[in-house]
Amino acid sequence: DAGITQSPRHKVTETGTPVTLRCHQTENHRYMYWYRQDPGHGLRLIHYSYGVKDTDKGEVSDGYSVSRSKTEDFLLTLESATSSQTSVYFCAISEGLTSYEQYFGPGTRLTVT
Amino acid sequence: RKEVEQDPGPFNVPEGATVAFNCTYSNSASQSFFWYRQDCRKEPKLLMSVYSSGNEDGRFTAQLNRASQYISLLIRDSKLSDSATYLCVVNGNGGSQGNLIFGKGTKLSVKP
Repeated sequence: DAGITQSPRHKVTETGTPVTLRCHQTENHRYMYWYRQDPGHGLRLIHYSYGVKDTDKGEVSDGYSVSRSKTEDFLLTLESATSSQTSVYFCAISEGLTSYEQYFGPGTRLTVT
Repeated sequence: RKEVEQDPGPFNVPEGATVAFNCTYSNSASQSFFWYRQDCRKEPKLLMSVYSSGNEDGRFTAQLNRASQYISLLIRDSKLSDSATYLCVVNGNGGSQGNLIFGKGTKLSVKP
């Protein structure tokens, strides 16, 4: 299995509070991604990174920000959590962008009450 | 037309059965195709890439039809452990769309 960890694995937070999720990889892959997975929607890309300090928006980026200060770490921040952001969040990594398979972390279950 | 469409299932089959999943994609410029497997409450895991000539990995066979923009996955001699959701995945077309686009998945349940 690819060396990807996510923390925390589970979190319950209140509406309006900031939340940061962490993804850590030991594979030295250039590309990192944050997805959310909801019933009826499948996996949707939030943000991705193509290098240290290089990030771009995905399909559902509103309400989320990301940072990548080191190759191995990719942080996802919800500045002010809303109930619509209750979801399972997956981090993924890949060696390349368009033709490379992605490997996923174990996921973080976030509940916003 | 949705970017990647799959029959959601569930497909309920007995052990030993052969089952086929289909997937259609909308972007004719897509070049990379994959099948992922996702167990309940787990992360998606790569099952196999799909090549133009078709490819086989043990009991699993993947086919690609570019003209019809159609991908298939065939599972022979189904095992209980094959029970999972199978995700069809296609790459987009440049920029963030160069990233992978995931179908919603087809759920398979293999019964004794």
